[in-house]
Amino acid sequence: GAVVSQHPSRVICKSGTSVKIECRSLDFQATTMFWYRQFPKQSLMLMATSNEGSKATYEQGVEKDKFLINHASLTLSTLTVTSAHPEDSSFYICSARVLAYTQYFGPGTRLTVL
Amino acid sequence: AQSVTQLGSHVSVSEGALVLLRCNYSSSVPPYLFWYVQYPNQGLQLLLKYTSAATLVKGINGFEAEFKKSETSFHLTKPSAHMSDAAEYFCAVSDPGNKLVFGAGTILRVKS
Repeated sequence: GAVVSQHPSRVICKSGTSVKIECRSLDFQATTMFWYRQFPKQSLMLMATSNEGSKATYEQGVEKDKFLINHASLTLSTLTVTSAHPEDSSFYICSARVLAYTQYFGPGTRLTVL
Repeated sequence: AQSVTQLGSHVSVSEGALVLLRCNYSSSVPPYLFWYVQYPNQGLQLLLKYTSAATLVKGINGFEAEFKKSETSFHLTKPSAHMSDAAEYFCAVSDPGNKLVFGAGTILRVKS
């Protein structure tokens, strides 16, 4: 099946620093990837849609200057949390669309900002 | 706009008992529906999907779901629960823009 990886799986950083999270499709090419955020005991919230070779589309209320998304190749999308603060601590999950309407998810990245 | 309602944030069953997780959807177009499972501190794994073919969909790990248009439902079932089924389950519907709209999730507990 379609495999999506994320790196790192867990990161702890100091407030004010930037953190980059990578999302890779390992055995397929993904023109579209998605980034989600999940707070404890809550469902997934879509942050943005990442399209290869073009700018990401952000959901309402998501700061595009804070959450920078780059989709430079058909197998890699990156999410950079800039000037991270404690309220950015969360579980970030990416997904890649394989077929129309079907998304496969990465294992997630736990971000803790001190 | 598409939306998903999962009835019951927590469901507890005994090992070997029937598992029934409820999902109702709202969609302005013929829906594409999904069930995902999430284990603690992990991503989501696709259990099964309905994409307008057979209304009874069989998935992995013995799970299946039936699409009922008249009831706008897509409930997930498994005849006999295993301890390894304990996890959180999410129902989702795809909107016309191919984005997934998730329900709030149901935590399944399996008692020995």
